[in-house]
Amino acid sequence: DAGVTQSPTHLIKTRGQHVTLRCSPISGHKSVSWYQQVLGQGPQFIFQYYEKEERGRGNFPDRFSARQFPNYSSELNVNALLLGDSALYLCASTRASTPGELFFGEGSRLTVL
Amino acid sequence: KNEVEQSPQNLTAQEGEFITINCSYSVGISALHWLQQHPGGGIVSLFMLSSGKKKHGRLIATINIQEKHSSLHITASHPRDSAVYICAVGDNQGGKLIFGQGTELSVKP
Repeated sequence: DAGVTQSPTHLIKTRGQHVTLRCSPISGHKSVSWYQQVLGQGPQFIFQYYEKEERGRGNFPDRFSARQFPNYSSELNVNALLLGDSALYLCASTRASTPGELFFGEGSRLTVL
Repeated sequence: KNEVEQSPQNLTAQEGEFITINCSYSVGISALHWLQQHPGGGIVSLFMLSSGKKKHGRLIATINIQEKHSSLHITASHPRDSAVYICAVGDNQGGKLIFGQGTELSVKP
């Protein structure tokens, strides 16, 4: 079975632009979470979605938004990009039977110039 | 002060050594995770603990809920164990976690 897939793997944007990152969970996994990892630091929780409903939101500005689709894939959108948004964006999925077991994608590395 | 603190931040060991990485947290939790991150970014979940001790191969994780402390031990370390090890705490639903800053481990042959 395919693991969690994220796209794009790398991208470069300029300040003020908008970005959309995509995540496909493992087949059968209904929960997707997003994290931001700035270089040299641990990840920070951004959003969790379960069955297309937002289950949790971290301490991020409204420029960050997400949604989950009927096939459980998810998008993370960031508007009005700032230099400080440069980071590795990680997606993780979990299955309902073992909700604490996280499966991570390889991440999308965003550079904002 | 961070809600999740790991020590040490960096660790260099010789192949075969016994390694301990510590994690202390200041918030109430239902579960604690140990994660492994290799260069390039991919993260692998090693353990989820809510009490006691778990073992998988050469890896052992323990947690003391009363003292709000967990340790990750690696026995007979190997260069392929070189990675960043991250402690994360939260509920047992997986998603909303608070992460430590990570411990960068380098095992020399």
